[in-house]
Amino acid sequence: DQQVKQNSPSLSVQEGRISILNCDYTNSMFDYFLWYKKYPAEGPTFLISISSIKDKNEDGRFTVFLNKSAKHLSLHIVPSQPGDSAVYFCAASARTGNQFYFGTGTSLTVIP
Amino acid sequence: GAVVSQHPSWVICKSGTSVKIECRSLDFQATTMFWYRQFPKQSLMLMATSNEGSKATYEQGVEKDKFLINHASLTLSTLTVTSAHPEDSSFYICSARVPRTGRTDTQYFGPGTRLTVL
Repeated sequence: DQQVKQNSPSLSVQEGRISILNCDYTNSMFDYFLWYKKYPAEGPTFLISISSIKDKNEDGRFTVFLNKSAKHLSLHIVPSQPGDSAVYFCAASARTGNQFYFGTGTSLTVIP
Repeated sequence: GAVVSQHPSWVICKSGTSVKIECRSLDFQATTMFWYRQFPKQSLMLMATSNEGSKATYEQGVEKDKFLINHASLTLSTLTVTSAHPEDSSFYICSARVPRTGRTDTQYFGPGTRLTVL
């Protein structure tokens, strides 16, 4: 059962525009959320996280928004750059558990 | 940030042989490490959770006798693929968890190991 879902397998955005990647979750016990970026044949790298006590966290060009009532989070990248082209995974964890649950990933292509 | 290494980065082996992959946390102690497998164009599939000093917890459908995990120290976990078959060919990634302190909690991933079984 996929508890974290990324319904868009791919996204293409023009350089300089905003990229919005979406993620939905089903488990109300999740209270910590993360975004990872992954290039082919490499391990994922941590990008940004957000705790459920917040609804927004910003780090440079990256902002994560959390809507707890909708069980939805999104990653905004602005402005998008060609180097942002990668697969982005969202992940969720619960304080009571040990495991991170990953979404299926969204492949972002930023067109120069 | 925390650094996790994996060795080897790429291994080719014959069918029926065993392959050991090492995962090390270089600048922190990791009581918990995770092993993932990724098929082309698919998500990360959690195989098992490795806890230092105790037996690994395997996810449903993962053969524990085939994928042996040892977490002998706070900085090293190993995954041994026993009697490898071509269908075991995949990209294996480990991660180490930095426990929650001050509401921060994340996993840091190794660079992955590409296993090809001939």
